[in-house]
Amino acid sequence: GQQVMQIPQYQHVQEGEDFTTYCNSSTTLSNIQWYKQRPGGHPVFLIQLVKSGEVKKQKRLTFQFGEAKKNSSLHITATQTTDVGTYFCRRGGSNYKLTFGKGTLLTVNP
Amino acid sequence: DTEVTQTPKHLVMGMTNKKSLKCEQHMGHRAMYWYKQKAKKPPELMFVYSYEKLSINESVPSRFSPECPNSSLLNLHLHALQPEDSALYLCASSHAASGLAYEQYFGPGTRLTVT
Repeated sequence: GQQVMQIPQYQHVQEGEDFTTYCNSSTTLSNIQWYKQRPGGHPVFLIQLVKSGEVKKQKRLTFQFGEAKKNSSLHITATQTTDVGTYFCRRGGSNYKLTFGKGTLLTVNP
Repeated sequence: DTEVTQTPKHLVMGMTNKKSLKCEQHMGHRAMYWYKQKAKKPPELMFVYSYEKLSINESVPSRFSPECPNSSLLNLHLHALQPEDSALYLCASSHAASGLAYEQYFGPGTRLTVT
């Protein structure tokens, strides 16, 4: 399946700094999902975006879906050590071949 | 209950062994998935079951054999594996596999080591 491109691959921040990861596709996405995987853990669903230009917030996390539905971002305000993990985006679609981006590993220095 | 359970948590097996991984969900989901995840990589889709029928096999070698005995259970039978098959095997489920993508609920995984 077509994989979405995710950047950056790694991000190290000081606690309290902001963090953003981006997910880009060369084709229009039906929807985009975001997952978080803690070190040693399993992916946990965070959110799904469906509409063009959609913005959703979960406490310090803000998710955006681009107007052209080809890109998405996850922004964390004032990171905490509990935010550590790998954030994956995953494209949705009308077939089963759903694929994950390569993920952004976030580390937070307390 | 939004839990997907997997057993065993860890498995070490030789290349001539036969073993099985098990997955269970009680959320009424009709789609279940097997993924393989190597360290520092995203999960790679292996199999998809939709309404207890195998709908996707992502060119997985025949030494991996999936089985869906009923809508709540998913097994992965392993035989004659290679050391490069060592990985975290994740099971997931979702409301359905067709149409718009539904969010997936993952189990904790089985960490498999092939010696």
